[in-house]
Amino acid sequence: NAGVTQTPKFQVLKTGQSMTLQCAQDMNHEYMSWYRQDPGMGLRLIHYSVGAGITDQGEVPNGYNVSRSTTEDFPLRLLSAAPSQTSVYFCASKGGQGAYEQYFGPGTRLTVT
Amino acid sequence: GESVGLHLPTLSVQEGDNSIINCAYSNSASDYFIWYKQESGKGPQFIIDIRSNMDKRQGQRVTVLLNKTVKHLSLQIAATQPGDSAVYFCAESAVHDMRFGAGTRLTVKP
Repeated sequence: NAGVTQTPKFQVLKTGQSMTLQCAQDMNHEYMSWYRQDPGMGLRLIHYSVGAGITDQGEVPNGYNVSRSTTEDFPLRLLSAAPSQTSVYFCASKGGQGAYEQYFGPGTRLTVT
Repeated sequence: GESVGLHLPTLSVQEGDNSIINCAYSNSASDYFIWYKQESGKGPQFIIDIRSNMDKRQGQRVTVLLNKTVKHLSLQIAATQPGDSAVYFCAESAVHDMRFGAGTRLTVKP
């Protein structure tokens, strides 16, 4: 299994540009999530999904959209990038009901100028 | 609001010594706690977990202690090795939410 994969690894955007961060997992996990990691602040939950067709907001959802059309994929969209969205983004997944351990991808480092 | 935090942002230990990383949490409703290790440029990696109905759990060279009375969690690493150098996060979890502390950077001196 490849586990959780993310693309791209690095990205530089100008303010106002849009882009999609890709996340995929091959473990047939129902739950997937997106976090951002900023210095000194730990990981903060952006959006999560408990299954295909179901998404919900986390702690810091503003400026981000998600969709979950398949079990495997959970893309994160930035519609109009802002410098405050400069961060490292991690996607994670975990198994079915009652599972707590999350498996993280390698991250995407995004810089918005 | 609820928060998960760490007492020390950095910890430096000699190779072969034991390491203790501490964490304070404030959400008494959390029923599951996890320690993650994050190496530079990588995603967090699961180390060990503990449920709220336990006070101690041991893994390979690692032990997690949970003190619910004072809402304190610790990670003990025995015989610390250079490969243990990383940032360590504690996290508290409900089923659809996981809150992370800011992390402690562990440096192992040869």
